[in-house]
Amino acid sequence: GENVEQHPSTLSVQEGDSAVIKCTYSDSASNYFPWYKQELGKGPQLIIDIRSNVGEKKDQRIAVTLNKTAKHFSLHITETQPEDSAVYFCAASQTPGPGGYNKLIFGAGTRLAVHP
Amino acid sequence: NAGVTQTPKFQVLKTGQSMTLQCAQDMNHNSMYWYRQDPGMGLRLIYYSASEGTTDKGEVPNGYNVSRLNKREFSLRLESAAPSQTSVYFCASSPRQNGYTFGSGTRLTVV
Repeated sequence: GENVEQHPSTLSVQEGDSAVIKCTYSDSASNYFPWYKQELGKGPQLIIDIRSNVGEKKDQRIAVTLNKTAKHFSLHITETQPEDSAVYFCAASQTPGPGGYNKLIFGAGTRLAVHP
Repeated sequence: NAGVTQTPKFQVLKTGQSMTLQCAQDMNHNSMYWYRQDPGMGLRLIYYSASEGTTDKGEVPNGYNVSRLNKREFSLRLESAAPSQTSVYFCASSPRQNGYTFGSGTRLTVV
């Protein structure tokens, strides 16, 4: 089955710097890759996602890149701010077959700390 | 839209007590899920319901049962709570293939 590895487990940056979190996946059939942000005491929230027919997607200060050949995808946060401090999870899934379900496989998470 | 609503938000149980965690979504999603998250750890799938009328075990189902009451509601029951079930529980829902929408969680302590 699919396995998603996420690195680093913790990341500390100064405000204004960039942060990059990387994930690798094992199943070449995976074609949907969302990223979640979990703030302290809250549930994970979808912040950006990418499908396998796209190499890069941006939304203001965040971007995701996908390399299908190498089977890895990354989250990039530019001009980091203290409110970016949270745990970030990557995930991967593939199109469900008949009778199947939307099975997201999550990475273990990265704790990002942005210091003023 | 409320999204995914979980109740209660906090609960303290004594060992051996039972309780049901409630979850409802208003997005007309087919699939619903229950996860647990322990301190410093990621998300572990307990049970899921691919569609109304079906439920299946996830990664850590022991000690739990679920009911997909209708398309909107998916409950998680602890029949005899144990300290090892102290955790934060998240319910989520999704359409056929897209990201999940998570609830805000239930923080359960078993003493």
